[in-house]
Amino acid sequence: AQSVTQPDIHITVSEGASLELRCNYSYGATPYLFWYVQSPGQGLQLLLKYFSGDTLVQGIKGFEAEFKRSQSSFNLRKPSVHWSDAAEYFCAVGAEAGGTSYGKLTFGQGTILTVHP
Amino acid sequence: GAGVSQTPSNKVTEKGKYVELRCDPISGHTALYWYRQSLGQGPEFLIYFQGTGAADDSGLPNDRFFAVRPEGSVSTLKIQRTERGDSAVYLCASSLMGTGQETQYFGPGTRLLVL
Repeated sequence: AQSVTQPDIHITVSEGASLELRCNYSYGATPYLFWYVQSPGQGLQLLLKYFSGDTLVQGIKGFEAEFKRSQSSFNLRKPSVHWSDAAEYFCAVGAEAGGTSYGKLTFGQGTILTVHP
Repeated sequence: GAGVSQTPSNKVTEKGKYVELRCDPISGHTALYWYRQSLGQGPEFLIYFQGTGAADDSGLPNDRFFAVRPEGSVSTLKIQRTERGDSAVYLCASSLMGTGQETQYFGPGTRLLVL
């Protein structure tokens, strides 16, 4: 069964500093990978996704993520964090076509990002 | 355009009561998903509809949980004989066709509290 691990429950960075949020997945085939952000009182918003091609994907709000098959990782990065980036971030893996679970997402437990001024 | 909407935004009920949670997906989206998010956890899959039919209900925790989507648009998640452990945020998402590559658009959720 597919699974996602986000090793860091809570990360604190200073505004302007770089950021990397870790995500490791377990999946038998080529995964579909997603990063979502959840702000208080808001729904989950997609930051970026990967399903094929270039392993470095660009997303909204200046975020990027790199798919590394050898490490089963899909870490999220941002070169310079803004105070408005404070939120909870979720990595997710999606099921491939062909099964009844097509489209179902399995989420990690999330990483809470705090940004200090 | 309008996103995914969920009603009510908050629901407080007593143990043993019946509740219904409603989801209005984005117009034209054939795929609809329900997830449950407990405190401090990521969302967990409950059920997936393709059109009117439940394509995958493997995430429903037990037979107290049931969901319908009779006309292929609005969906209702129904919980019978609620228990305190059912307290969570229930999230609904929709996507255009339900392929694994598509973006799922999430609603703001219904926060359910069972006393």
